[in-house]
Amino acid sequence: KNEVEQSPQNLTAQEGEFITINCSYSVGISALHWLQQHPGGGIVSLFMLSSGKKKHGRLIATINIQEKHSSLHITASHPRDSAVYICAVGRMEYGNKLVFGAGTILRVKS
Amino acid sequence: EPEVTQTPSHQVTQMGQEVILRCVPISNHLYFYWYRQILGQKVEFLVSFYNNEISEKSEIFDDQFSVERPDGSNFTLKIRSTKLEDSAMYFCASSGDRGTEQFFGPGTRLTVL
Repeated sequence: KNEVEQSPQNLTAQEGEFITINCSYSVGISALHWLQQHPGGGIVSLFMLSSGKKKHGRLIATINIQEKHSSLHITASHPRDSAVYICAVGRMEYGNKLVFGAGTILRVKS
Repeated sequence: EPEVTQTPSHQVTQMGQEVILRCVPISNHLYFYWYRQILGQKVEFLVSFYNNEISEKSEIFDDQFSVERPDGSNFTLKIRSTKLEDSAMYFCASSGDRGTEQFFGPGTRLTVL
């Protein structure tokens, strides 16, 4: 069983729509990370959170530690948001490694 | 803004050859990581490194792999005898403290023929 599960695998949205990507994990974590990967391959950190909610621009990330679940929301989506969004969990007791989900491929159409 | 850099951006090698992938982490960071992503698959952890020693390594990181911090700035991943299945994008990352945000380099695409 994967330690980190993401849904959906693929998501197509119309410009302006509100988008939600979900992440569930099955192990103890030090923090949960949301990352963005563009077609060129580079990985950018969006959020690191261990409780509650964080907001940056049109992006909002929430985490429920008891339910081992996190969501990434994009408000007023735009074609430039098209990318792969990856959930990863930090395992501090294992050299602080990140364990990655498979990613959600988001395409926003204009 | 400080960033992690990696060289080369793309390396093509013959099976059985040694390759060294180089990374320059953010200058005041203390924790260093290598990850890899085989085309179409998820990112996988290889190794973490702190205080000049390996903190954790995955099953992938066998005797063919080694890491080194040869000076105050570089962090290298060596694959001694490459296999076809080593073809992947290799990402270096660094963090300032244990459990803090990791900053990723742009990756090195390794192609083994």
